Amino acid sequence: QSVLTQPPSVSAAPGQKVTISCSGSSSNIGHNYVSWYQQLPGTAPKLLIYDNNERPSGIPARFSGSKSGTSATLGITGLQTGDEADYYCGTWDSSLSATVFGTGTKVTVL
Amino acid sequence: QVQLVESGGGVVQPGRSLRLSCAASGFTFSNSAMHWVRQAPGKGLEWVAVISYDASNKYYADSVKGRFTISRDNSKNTLYLQMNSLRPEDTSMYYCAKDTSLFCGAAYWGQGTLVTVSS
Repeated sequence: QSVLTQPPSVSAAPGQKVTISCSGSSSNIGHNYVSWYQQLPGTAPKLLIYDNNERPSGIPARFSGSKSGTSATLGITGLQTGDEADYYCGTWDSSLSATVFGTGTKVTVL
Repeated sequence: QVQLVESGGGVVQPGRSLRLSCAASGFTFSNSAMHWVRQAPGKGLEWVAVISYDASNKYYADSVKGRFTISRDNSKNTLYLQMNSLRPEDTSMYYCAKDTSLFCGAAYWGQGTLVTVSS
């Protein structure tokens, strides 16, 4: 099982905001950069956020990342039907000497 | 633009071996750490292994340690994953990915290659 815990699902209406939490520990989120990924059905994951809160070029400002202590959060504002996907957090775990991913969260647009 | 193209997947019997390749282009491969990540059907992402830019550091998930070996050929811009003693639970889509920084994430992903371990 993953060392990073995410809620299994979140949902909201179009135009609304959702937040996805990623809970870890001092050996992973607490001391390392967090990244976030979007995986649309049947496709490879895509990087949304890196280094806790940085967006790669081409990623809309509707997507934001933050980190506090041993938890991180992905925010999506102005929710669109095209945002329906699975979302994962990830980071390095210094105790495990391993990259770790979260359990994944399915976003549903109502 | 960055391109990562995996190959080498297929159907293999339990206990047998398989080698995956990932051809990279569009960036300076020899300056980049690289990951293998897998995803079983209907399941979440599972990190497999990472290799530093110069192959001096390699790390593995406990589930594959001692069975899988990550390597790279910077002269060919190619990443490899040698998989030995394959088990049914290794059945997954395998993705190669370019590191973001400090092994903390994956900036670019290939389209994946499917490995099925079955008798």
